[in-house]
Amino acid sequence: ELVLTQSPATLSLSPGERATLSCRASQSVASYIAWYQQKPGQAPRLLIYDASNRATGIPARFSGGGSATDFTLTISSLEPEDFAVYYCQQRSNWITFGQGTRLDIK
Amino acid sequence: QVQLVESGGGVVQPGGSLRLSCAASDFTFRDFAMHWVRQAPGKGLEWMAVIRNDGSRKYYGDSVKGRFTISRDNSRNTLYLHMDTLRVEDTAVYYCARDTGDPRWYFDVWGRGTLVTVSS
Repeated sequence: ELVLTQSPATLSLSPGERATLSCRASQSVASYIAWYQQKPGQAPRLLIYDASNRATGIPARFSGGGSATDFTLTISSLEPEDFAVYYCQQRSNWITFGQGTRLDIK
Repeated sequence: QVQLVESGGGVVQPGGSLRLSCAASDFTFRDFAMHWVRQAPGKGLEWMAVIRNDGSRKYYGDSVKGRFTISRDNSRNTLYLHMDTLRVEDTAVYYCARDTGDPRWYFDVWGRGTLVTVSS
């Protein structure tokens, strides 16, 4: 099974700061990575697909990068509504998700 | 607006069966592959199954292969998940999700989920 490892598990930052979340694949997934945001009691929301493409309606402060095995999600300047759990997902070899990174308010 | 609404969750004993439904609205349901994804309490996301837009192909995750069956009725804009031989570890919120294509294996629309609890 293709494993995605996200780091850090928890990231504590303040509004206005820059957040960088990491997702590492156990083997190459080319650029077949998506990122989702999930708030408590809600379904996930697609942010980024194919590593760097923003989904419809996603603000420009969200950006994705990377290829092969190492990927990042960057939030350039945190807004209060950005504090949530973030998951990466690969579609190169069936579908697996990372275990998530919790972004907390500092 | 584009919407998915799951139903059919509840409490079931180990070894029992349950059928979940997902009603789609405000998009052309027959144009998209559809998925089921689950999330155990306090845990991450786990992909379960996908069905192509016309129902011709179905694929399953290893943990549910042989026990769960995905199906769809395009005339009713409804997706289904029939779950047999349920185990305690199947306890989770079950989401239906729309694929971004047929399939492209990303999920751009999600329902709010329905909770399945497997317990004696």
